[in-house]
Amino acid sequence: QQPVQSPQAVILREGEDAVINCSSSKALYSVHWYRQKHGEAPVFLMILLKGGEQKGHEKISASFNEKKQQSSLYLTASQLSYSGTYFCGTPRAGLNRDDKIIFGKGTRLHILP
Amino acid sequence: DGGITQSPKYLFRKEGQNVTLSCEQNLNHDAMYWYRQDPGQGLRLIYYSQIVNDFQKGDIAEGYSVSREKKESFPLTVTSAQKNPTAFYLCASSIGGVGEQFFGPGTRLTVL
Repeated sequence: QQPVQSPQAVILREGEDAVINCSSSKALYSVHWYRQKHGEAPVFLMILLKGGEQKGHEKISASFNEKKQQSSLYLTASQLSYSGTYFCGTPRAGLNRDDKIIFGKGTRLHILP
Repeated sequence: DGGITQSPKYLFRKEGQNVTLSCEQNLNHDAMYWYRQDPGQGLRLIYYSQIVNDFQKGDIAEGYSVSREKKESFPLTVTSAQKNPTAFYLCASSIGGVGEQFFGPGTRLTVL
């Protein structure tokens, strides 16, 4: 089952904060976050593991809520370079090393100067 | 420099022709993937391979075929059976199935 991302799109002014959510209908063991700039390949941001700590990358951090089966990506004091589409991905089945990742449909983030 | 390459960047084909997209990695990764990306659809898995000479269908495998004869290479053939092949195709690799994925730059295929 594909994880569900919200919102679908966000428009912010430079310096504002944003939160992108990723929800799963089944138990989450890990969540991947990627950013894709227009016309380019997705770039890995971070992986959050069940029971792990909140991760950070520049001014971008993420949390993992097992109870809610949800992960949230936080973009603080957004910069123009943060514009792009953000994807979350979750394992199809669980902790099996040979499992594969299912990606959400993405959240488009546009930062205005 | 380690990485994953795809060629060509842009590809134009006539309807009814088969076309093969190249994907090569020198990261020594076991797992490789092909995704198709359409506007608003995210990344949809076409095929994946966890090991040489073995591969599995993803969610939208119909009309596509792959081979994995070498660890470094995972070419994708878009056949004439694929009803709507125009899309952006991304290849990726990872150490294991649930590890960080490294993506190639993509091939934009347009069928005329």
